[in-house]
Amino acid sequence: DAGITQSPRHKVTETGTPVTLRCHQTENHRYMYWYRQDPGHGLRLIHYSYGVKDTDKGEVSDGYSVSRSKTEDFLLTLESATSSQTSVYFCAITQTSSNSGANVLTFGAGSRLTVL
Amino acid sequence: AQSVTQLDSHVSVSEGTPVLLRCNYSSSYSPSLFWYVQHPNKGLQLLLKYTSAATLVKGINGFEAEFKKSETSFHLTKPSAHMSDAAEYFCVVSEGTYKYIFGTGTRLKVLA
Repeated sequence: DAGITQSPRHKVTETGTPVTLRCHQTENHRYMYWYRQDPGHGLRLIHYSYGVKDTDKGEVSDGYSVSRSKTEDFLLTLESATSSQTSVYFCAITQTSSNSGANVLTFGAGSRLTVL
Repeated sequence: AQSVTQLDSHVSVSEGTPVLLRCNYSSSYSPSLFWYVQHPNKGLQLLLKYTSAATLVKGINGFEAEFKKSETSFHLTKPSAHMSDAAEYFCVVSEGTYKYIFGTGTRLKVLA
C-alpha cells in the first residue's frame, strides 16, 4: 500500500470558482502525478512533480496549476473552474518494483469534481 | 513517440469462456508495458507488468499477457472469465521514469 490519500473525494462547484485538490502520501516517494480521467480518453497527465518545488507540465495542463512544498503533499489547483474540467482526478506515485526494477504507477482512490 | 491503441472499446464474453483484450503500442525504445484494471467507481489497480524479462507475464487473478515485439502487441488474456472480471482495463506504455501513456480503455462485460 503506497499510502496515498486524496481529498476531497467528491466536490461540486460552480463555474469560475477556485478549487484545490490535495494528494497526500506517507512513504516519501519522489515522483507524484495528477491525471484526469474522461470517457473515451483514458487517463491524461496534467502535471507531475519530481521533488519539492520541482514540477512540470503534462499533456493537458492548461487551466491547472500545482504546488509541492513538502514531499508528502501535491496540490492541484483550478484557478477558475470551467465545465470542461468536470472529471475524475487521480493522484499517483511511482514505486520501484523490488523484483523487476520497473517504476510502477500506484494510484489514489480518485476525486470526482463536478463544475456546474 | 509513444502511443497505445486498445483495439476494442467494449468486449463481451460469457462466464467461463476465454478473455482476450488487445493492445498495440508504438515506442522508440525498449518500453515497459502494463495492464491496469478499474472496477466501477474505484481506482486503478496494477494487473501485470512487462519490463524486458520474460515475454509471457503472469499477473493477478489469473490474467497474463504476452509481449510480441515483432507485432508490437501486448494482449491481455485469461482462460476463463469470472463475473468479478467485469471492469475497465487499460494498457499503458512507459519509456522513462515519469512518462506513462494510457490507452483509451476496454470495458469488459461478463455475461452469466
